[in-house]
Amino acid sequence: DAKTTQPNSMESNEEEPVHLPCNHSTISGTDYIHWYRQLPSQGPEYVIHGLTSNVNNRMASLAIAEDRKSSTLILHRATLRDAAVYYCILRGKEYGGSQGNLIFGKGTKLSVKP
Amino acid sequence: DSGVTQTPKHLITATGQRVTLRCSPRSGDLSVYWYQQSLDQGLQFLIQYYNGEERAKGNILERFSAQQFPDLHSELNLSSLELGDSALYFCASSEGGYSNQPQHFGDGTRLSIL
Repeated sequence: DAKTTQPNSMESNEEEPVHLPCNHSTISGTDYIHWYRQLPSQGPEYVIHGLTSNVNNRMASLAIAEDRKSSTLILHRATLRDAAVYYCILRGKEYGGSQGNLIFGKGTKLSVKP
Repeated sequence: DSGVTQTPKHLITATGQRVTLRCSPRSGDLSVYWYQQSLDQGLQFLIQYYNGEERAKGNILERFSAQQFPDLHSELNLSSLELGDSALYFCASSEGGYSNQPQHFGDGTRLSIL
């Protein structure tokens, strides 16, 4: 299984941008990069995903390096509600099988200070 | 609200017993996934069903079994329970089984074995 490396923890101030890095040097050409987050006492929540190009949605932006060996999740203005564990996950392109499930690492615990 | 419903929210039982956890996926989603989250192992994939058929297996013990019914709801059966089975059990659903499709998680069932 392709692996990702994330910092254990990060801190941010409220209303400031946050850049959460992820390294995935063994990514294959067909692996998607997914980000999920888990707020305290809740199930994981999908944030964003991409393959090669940068992606934006209402929650965040995903910046993918040109060689695809790293990516960065960008929260444009952190709020207290963004305090969570953020997981960067690679997913294979093949249909179904063992590539369909999510393989969670330890993620990055983001703390947001008022 | 992810649209995925899990019942019960909490379950307390004793060693050696058997329990059933239930999951209703989001409307229209054909795939259901089960995950276990414990303090020492993190979030681990157990099993996936797609439109009633088993699609993938992860670290699921032989004492555990699951099924997906014609109405697409799923049940996870845990038997001969041990203290180490105490964990949060999450169900997730996705539209299909493709690895670029987001998974939507329920709020989990907290299982406590006494």
